[in-house]
Amino acid sequence: GAVVSQHPSRVICKSGTSVKIECRSLDFQATTMFWYRQFPKQSLMLMATSNEGSKATYEQGVEKDKFLINHASLTLSTLTVTSAHPEDSSFYICSAQGTEHGYTFGSGTRLTVV
Amino acid sequence: GNSVTQMEGPVTLSEEAFLTINCTYTATGYPSLFWYVQYPGEGLQLLLKATKADDKGSNKGFEATYRKETTSFHLEKGSVQVSDSAVYFCALKNSGGGADGLTFGKGTHLIIQP
Repeated sequence: GAVVSQHPSRVICKSGTSVKIECRSLDFQATTMFWYRQFPKQSLMLMATSNEGSKATYEQGVEKDKFLINHASLTLSTLTVTSAHPEDSSFYICSAQGTEHGYTFGSGTRLTVV
Repeated sequence: GNSVTQMEGPVTLSEEAFLTINCTYTATGYPSLFWYVQYPGEGLQLLLKATKADDKGSNKGFEATYRKETTSFHLEKGSVQVSDSAVYFCALKNSGGGADGLTFGKGTHLIIQP
Protein backbone atom coordinates (compact mmCIF):
# COMPACT_ATOMS: atom_id res chain seq x y z
CA GLY A 1 0.00 0.00 0.00
CA ALA A 2 0.84 3.67 -0.11
CA VAL A 3 3.52 4.75 2.36
CA VAL A 4 4.59 8.20 3.46
CA SER A 5 7.86 8.58 5.31
CA GLN A 6 8.26 11.59 7.60
CA HIS A 7 11.55 12.59 9.23
CA PRO A 8 12.67 13.30 11.81
CA SER A 9 10.23 11.72 14.23
CA ARG A 10 11.53 13.87 17.07
CA VAL A 11 13.64 16.99 17.14
CA ILE A 12 14.76 19.35 19.87
CA CYS A 13 16.14 22.69 18.81
CA LYS A 14 17.22 25.91 20.42
CA SER A 15 15.06 28.98 20.24
CA GLY A 16 15.92 31.09 17.19
CA THR A 17 17.14 28.23 15.03
CA SER A 18 15.36 26.66 12.06
CA VAL A 19 14.17 23.10 11.68
CA LYS A 20 13.35 21.22 8.49
CA ILE A 21 10.87 18.36 8.37
CA GLU A 22 10.73 16.06 5.36
CA CYS A 23 7.80 14.14 3.99
CA ARG A 24 8.30 11.58 1.22
CA SER A 25 5.81 9.44 -0.64
CA LEU A 26 7.70 6.18 -1.14
CA ASP A 27 5.70 4.28 -3.73
CA PHE A 28 3.40 6.78 -5.35
CA GLN A 29 3.41 10.30 -6.72
CA ALA A 30 1.80 12.83 -4.44
CA THR A 31 0.02 15.50 -6.43
CA THR A 32 -0.84 17.34 -3.24
CA MET A 33 0.76 17.44 0.19
CA PHE A 34 -0.92 18.70 3.34
CA TRP A 35 0.75 19.84 6.53
CA TYR A 36 -1.08 19.61 9.86
CA ARG A 37 -0.24 20.69 13.37
CA GLN A 38 -1.56 19.08 16.53
CA PHE A 39 -1.46 20.59 20.01
CA PRO A 40 -1.88 18.32 23.03
CA LYS A 41 -5.45 17.10 23.36
CA GLN A 42 -6.46 19.10 20.30
CA SER A 43 -7.42 18.08 16.83
CA LEU A 44 -5.11 18.16 13.84
CA MET A 45 -5.27 21.61 12.32
CA LEU A 46 -4.54 22.07 8.63
CA MET A 47 -1.69 24.52 8.17
CA ALA A 48 -1.15 24.53 4.43
CA THR A 49 -1.71 22.72 1.17
CA SER A 50 0.98 22.42 -1.47
CA ASN A 51 1.01 21.21 -5.03
CA GLU A 52 4.18 20.15 -6.77
CA GLY A 53 5.97 23.07 -8.38
CA SER A 54 3.70 25.79 -7.06
CA LYS A 55 3.44 27.94 -3.97
CA ALA A 56 1.71 26.54 -0.94
CA THR A 57 -1.71 27.76 0.13
CA TYR A 58 -1.77 28.62 3.82
CA GLU A 59 -4.75 28.49 6.12
CA GLN A 60 -5.88 31.63 7.84
CA GLY A 61 -3.68 32.51 10.79
CA VAL A 62 -0.67 30.50 9.64
CA GLU A 63 2.42 32.62 9.00
CA LYS A 64 3.85 31.68 5.64
CA ASP A 65 7.18 33.35 6.37
CA LYS A 66 7.56 31.29 9.50
CA PHE A 67 6.44 27.95 8.11
CA LEU A 68 8.16 27.58 4.76
CA ILE A 69 6.83 24.79 2.58
CA ASN A 70 8.63 23.45 -0.46
CA HIS A 71 7.14 20.84 -2.77
CA ALA A 72 9.85 20.50 -5.35
CA SER A 73 8.95 17.05 -6.62
CA LEU A 74 6.02 14.66 -6.72
CA THR A 75 7.55 12.61 -3.92
CA LEU A 76 8.99 15.17 -1.53
CA SER A 77 7.66 18.09 0.48
CA THR A 78 9.48 19.91 3.26
CA LEU A 79 8.28 22.12 6.08
CA THR A 80 10.84 24.48 7.59
CA VAL A 81 10.03 26.15 10.88
CA THR A 82 12.13 29.31 10.81
CA SER A 83 13.39 31.14 13.88
CA ALA A 84 11.61 28.64 16.10
CA HIS A 85 10.25 29.67 19.48
CA PRO A 86 8.88 27.59 22.36
CA GLU A 87 5.30 28.28 21.22
CA ASP A 88 6.10 26.46 17.97
CA SER A 89 6.59 23.25 19.93
CA SER A 90 3.99 20.88 18.61
CA PHE A 91 3.33 17.69 16.66
CA TYR A 92 3.53 18.19 12.90
CA ILE A 93 2.02 15.65 10.49
CA CYS A 94 2.14 15.54 6.71
CA SER A 95 -0.36 13.89 4.41
CA ALA A 96 0.13 13.04 0.77
CA GLN A 97 -2.63 12.69 -1.77
CA GLY A 98 -2.07 10.79 -4.99
CA THR A 99 -4.51 10.25 -7.80
CA GLU A 100 -5.46 6.80 -6.55
CA HIS A 101 -4.48 6.64 -2.92
CA GLY A 102 -6.63 9.09 -1.08
CA TYR A 103 -4.88 10.55 1.94
CA THR A 104 -1.78 8.83 3.30
CA PHE A 105 -0.28 10.21 6.50
CA GLY A 106 3.25 10.33 7.79
CA SER A 107 3.99 9.25 11.35
CA GLY A 108 4.51 12.80 12.53
CA THR A 109 7.32 14.92 13.98
CA ARG A 110 7.45 15.98 17.61
CA LEU A 111 9.16 19.39 17.70
CA THR A 112 10.38 20.77 21.00
CA VAL A 113 11.91 24.23 21.07
CA VAL A 114 13.95 25.02 24.16
CA GLY B 1 -16.90 26.66 8.77
CA ASN B 2 -16.49 22.94 9.13
CA SER B 3 -16.08 21.30 12.50
CA VAL B 4 -16.00 17.81 13.96
CA THR B 5 -16.84 16.97 17.55
CA GLN B 6 -16.03 13.60 19.04
CA MET B 7 -16.24 12.26 22.54
CA GLU B 8 -13.38 13.01 24.85
CA GLY B 9 -11.21 10.20 26.05
CA PRO B 10 -9.61 8.21 27.28
CA VAL B 11 -12.20 5.50 26.87
CA THR B 12 -11.31 2.38 28.82
CA LEU B 13 -13.08 -0.92 28.11
CA SER B 14 -12.57 -4.56 28.84
CA GLU B 15 -11.80 -6.99 26.04
CA GLU B 16 -14.92 -8.17 24.17
CA ALA B 17 -16.94 -5.14 25.26
CA PHE B 18 -19.11 -3.17 22.84
CA LEU B 19 -17.59 0.07 21.62
CA THR B 20 -19.21 3.32 20.56
CA ILE B 21 -17.27 6.50 19.87
CA ASN B 22 -19.57 9.37 19.06
CA CYS B 23 -18.85 11.83 16.28
CA THR B 24 -20.96 14.72 15.05
CA TYR B 25 -20.10 17.28 12.43
CA THR B 26 -20.96 20.68 11.05
CA ALA B 27 -20.38 21.31 7.36
CA THR B 28 -21.85 22.97 4.32
CA GLY B 29 -23.10 20.71 1.59
CA TYR B 30 -22.55 16.97 1.75
CA PRO B 31 -19.11 16.12 3.05
CA SER B 32 -17.35 12.79 2.99
CA LEU B 33 -16.77 11.33 6.44
CA PHE B 34 -13.84 9.30 7.71
CA TRP B 35 -12.52 7.48 10.72
CA TYR B 36 -8.75 7.29 11.09
CA VAL B 37 -6.81 5.26 13.64
CA GLN B 38 -3.35 6.03 15.02
CA TYR B 39 -1.45 3.25 16.73
CA PRO B 40 1.42 4.23 19.04
CA GLY B 41 4.39 5.51 17.09
CA GLU B 42 2.66 5.28 13.74
CA GLY B 43 0.92 7.61 11.30
CA LEU B 44 -2.80 7.93 10.86
CA GLN B 45 -4.38 5.07 8.94
CA LEU B 46 -7.74 5.19 7.25
CA LEU B 47 -10.11 2.87 9.08
CA LEU B 48 -13.30 3.44 7.13
CA LYS B 49 -15.20 6.09 5.22
CA ALA B 50 -18.61 7.03 3.84
CA THR B 51 -19.26 9.48 1.05
CA LYS B 52 -23.02 9.99 1.14
CA ALA B 53 -25.98 9.85 3.48
CA ASP B 54 -26.96 6.40 4.78
CA ASP B 55 -23.71 4.86 3.56
CA LYS B 56 -22.13 2.47 6.02
CA GLY B 57 -18.37 2.21 6.18
CA SER B 58 -16.89 -0.93 7.66
CA ASN B 59 -13.46 -2.44 8.24
CA LYS B 60 -11.86 -4.83 10.75
CA GLY B 61 -15.16 -5.24 12.59
CA PHE B 62 -15.68 -1.48 12.95
CA GLU B 63 -18.72 0.20 11.43
CA ALA B 64 -20.03 3.75 11.07
CA THR B 65 -23.16 5.00 9.31
CA TYR B 66 -23.42 8.43 7.70
CA ARG B 67 -26.52 9.99 9.30
CA LYS B 68 -27.41 13.23 7.61
CA GLU B 69 -30.47 13.88 9.78
CA THR B 70 -28.39 13.84 12.96
CA THR B 71 -25.12 14.94 11.33
CA SER B 72 -23.39 12.01 12.95
CA PHE B 73 -20.92 9.28 12.09
CA HIS B 74 -20.57 7.22 15.25
CA LEU B 75 -17.96 4.45 15.29
CA GLU B 76 -19.01 1.05 16.65
CA LYS B 77 -17.52 -2.37 17.18
CA GLY B 78 -19.28 -5.32 18.70
CA SER B 79 -16.35 -6.91 20.51
CA VAL B 80 -13.11 -5.03 21.02
CA GLN B 81 -9.67 -6.54 21.40
CA VAL B 82 -6.55 -5.36 23.18
CA SER B 83 -5.02 -4.69 19.76
CA ASP B 84 -7.71 -2.07 19.11
CA SER B 85 -6.08 0.22 21.67
CA ALA B 86 -5.20 3.38 19.75
CA VAL B 87 -6.32 6.95 19.12
CA TYR B 88 -9.33 7.30 16.80
CA PHE B 89 -10.01 10.44 14.78
CA CYS B 90 -13.24 11.38 13.07
CA ALA B 91 -12.78 13.64 10.05
CA LEU B 92 -14.61 15.20 7.15
CA LYS B 93 -13.79 16.46 3.68
CA ASN B 94 -15.82 19.03 1.82
CA SER B 95 -17.89 17.84 -1.06
CA GLY B 96 -17.05 18.91 -4.59
CA GLY B 97 -13.86 17.01 -5.20
CA GLY B 98 -10.57 18.79 -5.45
CA ALA B 99 -7.61 18.65 -3.18
CA ASP B 100 -8.98 19.75 0.17
CA GLY B 101 -7.45 19.04 3.52
CA LEU B 102 -9.43 17.20 6.16
CA THR B 103 -11.13 18.67 9.21
CA PHE B 104 -10.46 16.50 12.24
CA GLY B 105 -11.97 15.95 15.63
CA LYS B 106 -9.71 16.00 18.68
CA GLY B 107 -9.24 12.27 18.74
CA THR B 108 -10.39 9.67 21.24
CA HIS B 109 -7.84 7.54 23.03
CA LEU B 110 -9.19 4.01 23.39
CA ILE B 111 -7.67 1.66 25.95
CA ILE B 112 -8.70 -1.99 25.95
CA GLN B 113 -7.80 -3.99 29.03
CA PRO B 114 -7.42 -7.78 28.95
